[in-house]
Amino acid sequence: DAKTTQPPSMDCAEGRAANLPCNHSTISGNEYVYWYRQIHSQGPQYIIHGLKNNETNEMASLIITEDRKSSTLILPHATLRDTAVYYCIVFSDNQGGKLIFGQGTELSVKP
Amino acid sequence: KAGVTQTPRYLIKTRGQQVTLSCSPISGHRSVSWYQQTPGQGLQFLFEYFSETQRNKGNFPGRFSGRQFSNSRSEMNVSTLELGDSALYLCASSKIQGGSYEQYFGPGTRLTVT
Repeated sequence: DAKTTQPPSMDCAEGRAANLPCNHSTISGNEYVYWYRQIHSQGPQYIIHGLKNNETNEMASLIITEDRKSSTLILPHATLRDTAVYYCIVFSDNQGGKLIFGQGTELSVKP
Repeated sequence: KAGVTQTPRYLIKTRGQQVTLSCSPISGHRSVSWYQQTPGQGLQFLFEYFSETQRNKGNFPGRFSGRQFSNSRSEMNVSTLELGDSALYLCASSKIQGGSYEQYFGPGTRLTVT
């Protein structure tokens, strides 16, 4: 079973920041938080990951709370092309290539 | 740099037949994982191959099998197809660097079993 809890859906206005929350209260010390997204009918796309520090790349920022029990993915200026299902996944590299996907958050970016 | 490619993209088979799907990973990636996606069950892990060895396996029946070749290309096979095997089959490749395990997914193969 997935170790994360996400809201099933969220809306965001185009051009505004989209903040997607994720709870992972049972995360272990060696587990990372990964975010992927899946645009309709395409394969999932890696976005970002982190262990305990906040991370930023060209796509998004990841904010992890100090106790690591929750995190937030931030898309700073959402566009219509960011409409997708966003998955928050807890992962440790001793799992091999096994990602356990939950139901994710369906983000709708509206004009 | 070319992404993950999967062939064929679409496939229609009949119950009882078998099917083989192919995945070519990103150059330099040695790990290939396979997933099944259905509306009811979502994305589920099938298995992972690394250096031609199955390293991890999900909770699927033995009708689902796979292999990896020395060039890291991978195939998965489903025998005795059932209607419930209709799904999008995705493969993902990963380079594997310490602490960094990003997976890059292909576009998937849409299998329909009639």
